[in-house]
Amino acid sequence: GAGVSQSPSNKVTEKGKDVELRCDPISGHTALYWYRQSLGQGLEFLIYFQGNSAPDKSGLPSDRFSAERTGGSVSTLTIQRTQQEDSAVYLCASSPRGGGPYEQYFGPGTRLTVT
Amino acid sequence: EDKVVQSPLSLVVHEGDTVTLNCSYEVTNFRSLLWYKQEKKAPTFLFMLTSSGIEKKSGRLSSILDKKELFSILNITATQTGDSAIYLCAANTGNQFYFGTGTSLTVIP
Repeated sequence: GAGVSQSPSNKVTEKGKDVELRCDPISGHTALYWYRQSLGQGLEFLIYFQGNSAPDKSGLPSDRFSAERTGGSVSTLTIQRTQQEDSAVYLCASSPRGGGPYEQYFGPGTRLTVT
Repeated sequence: EDKVVQSPLSLVVHEGDTVTLNCSYEVTNFRSLLWYKQEKKAPTFLFMLTSSGIEKKSGRLSSILDKKELFSILNITATQTGDSAIYLCAANTGNQFYFGTGTSLTVIP
């Protein structure tokens, strides 16, 4: 079946512009995660959605970052007034459910470059 | 503070060698330990471990968890150039996954 998809695969933007990154999870997966991976670093948790529950936003680095998940499926991560330190690969993952233990399935990521 | 530490940071071996990658964790409400292989952008799932002492095996890869000493190892035998990648481990605490920075493995022909 189809895996997790993300778009765009690459995004180059100027400092100060807003960007939107999209994630389509595996159909039927109720849990959805966003991570950020900077060069040479591990995965940094950003936000977690589980079904219709309020999202866990504890990993968002600043109020310039926000995310939503419509209809319990597609998610959009928005970064406002981008800064050069926002340059990273943004990975989305989904899981059949929340609460663990369970596997995560990752999308191919969006490489964001802020110039 | 919840954390996951992997070692070594990087490793260069010749084809046919056996490697052992280490992952130690300190997290509250531990549920499982996961290993991923990351070649380009998307990490691909290798193993999930929930019980101590039970080895999981897939071809030349195997992994085991020690919940008393809070660590896991990933073994790769008879390495091939296609094993070159970053290997990530993550500790799951229910809703959260805490990732290490990874071990970069390079296999030389």
